[in-house]
Amino acid sequence: AQSVTQPDIHITVSEGASLELRCNYSYGATPYLFWYVQSPGQGLQLLLKYFSGDTLVQGIKGFEAEFKRSQSSFNLRKPSVHWSDAAEYFCAVGTLSGGYNKLIFGAGTRLAVHP
Amino acid sequence: NAGVTQTPKFQVLKTGQSMTLQCAQDMNHEYMSWYRQDPGMGLRLIHYSVGAGITDQGEVPNGYNVSRSTTEDFPLRLLSAAPSQTSVYFCASSSTSYNEQFFGPGTRLTVL
Repeated sequence: AQSVTQPDIHITVSEGASLELRCNYSYGATPYLFWYVQSPGQGLQLLLKYFSGDTLVQGIKGFEAEFKRSQSSFNLRKPSVHWSDAAEYFCAVGTLSGGYNKLIFGAGTRLAVHP
Repeated sequence: NAGVTQTPKFQVLKTGQSMTLQCAQDMNHEYMSWYRQDPGMGLRLIHYSVGAGITDQGEVPNGYNVSRSTTEDFPLRLLSAAPSQTSVYFCASSSTSYNEQFFGPGTRLTVL
């Protein structure tokens, strides 16, 4: 069955430090991969997506992610974290079924940023 | 454009009551979905629609009904609310099957 695992429930970093959020997926075909961010009390906003091509994808707010097929991973990175990055981050895999790209989400990683 | 809107923002129901969560989008998107978000479980797909008049079940459809009479609207109905349906509900839309899904702000539902 398809699944997404985000091993870290909570992560705390200092402002200005680098960040890596881990995501592993299980899907038999070529995956469509997404990272979304959710600020408190808000809906989800897309940070970046991978469909094909270059395995290093750039997103909004200075985030990037690297698709590694051999490791079934799609880790999110940012070189220098800002206090405004404190939020919950969700990795998702799109599973095409019945003409619709159903998203399967990980449980999320909550990021706290210390000044 | 307002994007994806959801009403109400908050709702408290008693067990057995019925209600409809409203979702509307003004982007002329064909694809719309309902998700529920529970602590430690991410978002799970309840129902989805690939166009007006076409709906299908997602991962957790039991206890919920949907219909899609127009491109803009995709209401979610709870026929007989249960405490297990206490959750935050998100509606999303996308222009194609593969494109980014745009999410609404959510409805926080509590069933007593």
